[in-house]
Amino acid sequence: KAGVTQTPRYLIKTRGQQVTLSCSPISGHRSVSWYQQTPGQGLQFLFEYFSETQRNKGNFPGRFSGRQFSNSRSEMNVSTLELGDSALYLCASTPGRGNTGELFFGEGSRLTVL
Amino acid sequence: AQKVTQAQTEISVVEKEDVTLDCVYETRDTTYYLFWYKQPPSGELVFLIRRNSFDEQNEISGRYSWNFQKSTSSFNFTITASQVVDSAVYFCALRTLTNSNSGYALNFGKGTSLLVTP
Repeated sequence: KAGVTQTPRYLIKTRGQQVTLSCSPISGHRSVSWYQQTPGQGLQFLFEYFSETQRNKGNFPGRFSGRQFSNSRSEMNVSTLELGDSALYLCASTPGRGNTGELFFGEGSRLTVL
Repeated sequence: AQKVTQAQTEISVVEKEDVTLDCVYETRDTTYYLFWYKQPPSGELVFLIRRNSFDEQNEISGRYSWNFQKSTSSFNFTITASQVVDSAVYFCALRTLTNSNSGYALNFGKGTSLLVTP
């Protein structure tokens, strides 16, 4: 069974640009969550999608957005990039909603903003 | 406040030594869930264990064991006879309600970087 796949694995952008990251969950998993990992702030929850709807949201500005498609694949977008957006963005999937169980994480997309 | 504290930033041990990673949590919930995840250099977080607040039984899985004590709000993780492959960053996490009150998410500690040398 394939794991969670995130693309691209690495990317470099400049301030002011926008970026789109993709996440393919484990087959059969319908919930996708996104987390940002930085050395300073650690791991922080961005949002959760289930059945193509955003169900839960962390404390991030509106520049961070996402969506989920009918096949449960998810994308997140960051507009008007800032230096502080440099981070490892991790996607996780679960069969259903809720975080009472195990989250299956991908290897992440490492974004560098110059 | 609801938070997780992992006071140990880095730990270095020699192979075959036992090592304990500390986790202290704060929560106002009566029902809560605690987790441990491992992050190897490849980047993905690997689930190790979940414990709910009603189950204080300690758990052992091979060389791994967990000590959950509600009285001290701690959920410590011990690796017995450590191996080089155990080198990774280990995160303790608490399931908390998000600020938007729209659901729960994992609230992670800052992590403990464990280095096991031969």
